Amino acid sequence: DVKVTQSSRYLVKRTGEKVFLECVQDMDHENMFWYRQDPGLGLRLIYFSYDVKMKEKGDIPEGYSVSREKKERFSLILESASTNQTSMYLCASSGGAGRTEAFFGQGTRLTVV
Amino acid sequence: GDSVTQMEGPVTLSEEAFLTINCTYTATGYPSLFWYVQYPGEGLQLLLKATKADDKGSNKGFEATYRKETTSFHLEKGSVQVSDSAVYFCALSDRGTNAGKSTFGDGTTLTVKP
Repeated sequence: DVKVTQSSRYLVKRTGEKVFLECVQDMDHENMFWYRQDPGLGLRLIYFSYDVKMKEKGDIPEGYSVSREKKERFSLILESASTNQTSMYLCASSGGAGRTEAFFGQGTRLTVV
Repeated sequence: GDSVTQMEGPVTLSEEAFLTINCTYTATGYPSLFWYVQYPGEGLQLLLKATKADDKGSNKGFEATYRKETTSFHLEKGSVQVSDSAVYFCALSDRGTNAGKSTFGDGTTLTVKP
């Protein structure tokens, strides 16, 4: 089975801190994604990546950046955390052409105080 | 752009009741369609999928049929259980160069009471 692992289930950070959320997948998937999930707003795509060192903005990239130095790892970076970034963050991967279902990690609930 | 509209919730049913959650989509290409389920405090899990018109996806008693003529992918289950209580997301995925990039509906919360 595909496993997508996020480094933390729960995080509490202070306003202004730099925050790193890590995601690792073990099935050699080309595509990786970061979403945030908020009540009433569904899933919103922050950034995605189709290949190592490649990234593309999603629907809500402001205040975030990403890094993909290795195929299996996709990091989300909050450059200066703010309270409106308190949310559930979900990482996903998929295998590319012809294999389009997404496999999700367990989620990281981030609270910025 | 692509979009997915699913039935608003929350939905509350008694155990053994019949479930339908409606889902319609708009897409520029010929997408694959999915239903995902999210249990409390967890990430999303793939429930079922269909990749072409008239395909029926099924899993754990849930079914959905890819209806290209009505651009729909409604989720059904004949007899729900308390353990089916979760949030259900309809989604589509482009099979072209952006393969794997998914568009999700807003989710429908299902509560099943004993």
